[in-house]
Amino acid sequence: EVQLVESGGGVVRPGGSLRLSCVASGFTFDEHGMSWVRQAPGKGLEWVSGINGNGDSTGDADSLKGRFTISRDNAKNSLFLQINSLRVEDTALYYCARSPGQNLVDVFDYWGQGTLVTVSS
Amino acid sequence: SYVLTQPPSVSVAPLQTARIPCGGNNIGSQSVHWYQQKPGQAPVLVISYDSDRPSGIPERFSGSNSGNTATLTISRVEAGDEADYYCQVWDSGSDHVVFGGGTKLTVL
Repeated sequence: EVQLVESGGGVVRPGGSLRLSCVASGFTFDEHGMSWVRQAPGKGLEWVSGINGNGDSTGDADSLKGRFTISRDNAKNSLFLQINSLRVEDTALYYCARSPGQNLVDVFDYWGQGTLVTVSS
Repeated sequence: SYVLTQPPSVSVAPLQTARIPCGGNNIGSQSVHWYQQKPGQAPVLVISYDSDRPSGIPERFSGSNSGNTATLTISRVEAGDEADYYCQVWDSGSDHVVFGGGTKLTVL
């Protein structure tokens, strides 16, 4: 059974940093592209960043470039998102999502339950 | 950047057919994916590559894509289909994932 379990969210002050993690199980991790997708309270889905199966290609939403860094450790079946200079508008539920193939991203066939990031002073 | 447009809400009576449109410039030339999200839950893929149904998704769910509009069709709507539905594409022009704003399906 495919499982994606996120962690690392919490309450942080504006300007702070967080590192989100997603541990995968039930499939061969390096054979799949992975992404982070976020959802602000009461709002729609927003793609944040994606990475291909071997980790040598990444993509980021234009509005978030420079503050968000995606990475992966295939030996540990783990996906990460480093978020710096957090803003109030970054408050959201952050989902880890899997793509069926090794490509950067195309479609998301499995999602985790999300980790909540709250940015507040 | 590429924009996907969905109506905020669609209402349908039980057992009727719901059609949720997703508009985009020449969207028919792209692969469209659809997700269902119920309150408090993660999104679930219900249609991929315009019209493919993942394992476990009822046959009542179907998709089409042509011209400037992709459509998710839910036949014989049930109360349990009430949810938010999102369309999504991979915009090769920008190498970005794009989501529509979402449509809330209400079963009357």
